Amino acid sequence: DADVTQTPRNRITKTGKRIMLECSQTKGHDRMYWYRQDPGLGLRLIYYSFDVKDINKGEISDGYSVSRQAQAKFSLSLESAIPNQTALYFCATSATTSGETQYFGPGTRLLVL
Amino acid sequence: RKEVEQDPGPFNVPEGATVAFNCTYSNSASQSFFWYRQDCRKEPKLLMSVYSSGNEDGRFTAQLNRASQYISLLIRDSKLSDSATYLCVVTNQGGKLIFGQGTELSVKP
Repeated sequence: DADVTQTPRNRITKTGKRIMLECSQTKGHDRMYWYRQDPGLGLRLIYYSFDVKDINKGEISDGYSVSRQAQAKFSLSLESAIPNQTALYFCATSATTSGETQYFGPGTRLLVL
Repeated sequence: RKEVEQDPGPFNVPEGATVAFNCTYSNSASQSFFWYRQDCRKEPKLLMSVYSSGNEDGRFTAQLNRASQYISLLIRDSKLSDSATYLCVVTNQGGKLIFGQGTELSVKP
C-alpha cells in the first residue's frame, strides 16, 4: 500500500462549488504539505503543518483552507472554486528529524469549469 | 525573478548520451539542495541531495557552487528510463522547499 494517499485522484467541479481534497499518510511523519503544480510554474506551496496544532500559510494560500484532523490526515478545501484553481494538487509529508526529504502522494487532478 | 530557475528544456538526447542540467538560485541563505525526478503525471521523488563537495550516485553526479549559487546534475550513459522531468529544489531558512519549474528530458533509442 502507498505511504501517502490522496482522494479523489481526479475531480471535475463547477465554479462556486466547495470541494475538499484529502490526504492520508502511514509514514508516521509530523509534517504535511499541500502544493499545486501548473505547467511551467513548478510546484508552489499552499499550506503546511508541522504538527497537529500547527497550520501555516504557504506561497499561494488565498482561496484555500486546510484542516489537520490528525497526525495522519491533512485536508485541503476550496471554499468557492474558480477556474484558475484548475491544477494538479500534491500532498507531501516529511519527518521532523529530516524535514527536507519530502514524500509525495500521487496527486489530484482538479478541473474547475 | 524566480527564486529557483532551471534550463527550460526539453532536452532530447539519444541513448548513451551525457546530459547536463543547470539550476541557479537567488537566495544566498538557501541551506539545502536537491534534485527530484518527476515522471509524467506522477508525483515527484527525491533523486539525490546535492553537497558542496559534489556527490555521485551511479550514473548521476550533482555539483553545488555556493559562490555562484549554481547547481548542476550530470547524467552519463542515458537510458530510456531516464526520460522524466528533473526538478531543482532548494530549502529556505524556514526549511520549506522551493521548486524550480523543471527540465524535461526525453531519451530516444
